[in-house]
Amino acid sequence: GNSVTQMEGPVTLSEEAFLTINCTYTATGYPSLFWYVQYPGEGLQLLLKATKADDKGSNKGFEATYRKETTSFHLEKGSVQVSDSAVYFCALSSGDSNYQLIWGAGTKLIIKP
Amino acid sequence: DAGVIQSPRHEVTEMGQEVTLRCKPISGHNSLFWYRQTMMRGLELLIYFNNNVPIDDSGMPEDRFSAKMPNASFSTLKIQPSEPRDSAVYFCASSRTSGAKNIQYFGAGTRLSVL
Repeated sequence: GNSVTQMEGPVTLSEEAFLTINCTYTATGYPSLFWYVQYPGEGLQLLLKATKADDKGSNKGFEATYRKETTSFHLEKGSVQVSDSAVYFCALSSGDSNYQLIWGAGTKLIIKP
Repeated sequence: DAGVIQSPRHEVTEMGQEVTLRCKPISGHNSLFWYRQTMMRGLELLIYFNNNVPIDDSGMPEDRFSAKMPNASFSTLKIQPSEPRDSAVYFCASSRTSGAKNIQYFGAGTRLSVL
């Protein structure tokens, strides 16, 4: 079945460091891929998405490229800030007839000043 | 536009009591999801409605849990009787099934503590 695997956290970085959070997936067909972010005490919110192979999603300095050959959708940011501290979830949607999202376990990111 | 609205934000109750969580989805969205989030099990989908009809309730843990969506602008998740292991944050999310589909918009959640 469809699944999403994320790197385990917490990931702890210093401010201005480069960030990579790995996400790989297993899916049939051509899923859409998403990164959601959850700030402390809040619900999840969409950070970026990509709907087909080689698409790059970007938002707030974060980027992720849909790599079908490696079944990956890694999240990157060139210079993180303390305000980026949150939990990041990778997710996929399996197709047009199913509006559910398959979620990764989430990766907690801690940025130290 | 108002986002997904959940109430209450916090609920503290005693074991055996009935708990009702409420959700108002974004206007125009026709899919609604209830999730439970815990440290041990992460984010779990409990039930999914489309056009007010329950489509997949396989995630509902047991008969103590029930969910309804009487109209397009309101849903409830009820736990009766509640147990300490039900303590978690419960999220409601909604999405459109046309256009930018599969993007789910989450409420701020209800933090439930069952003593």
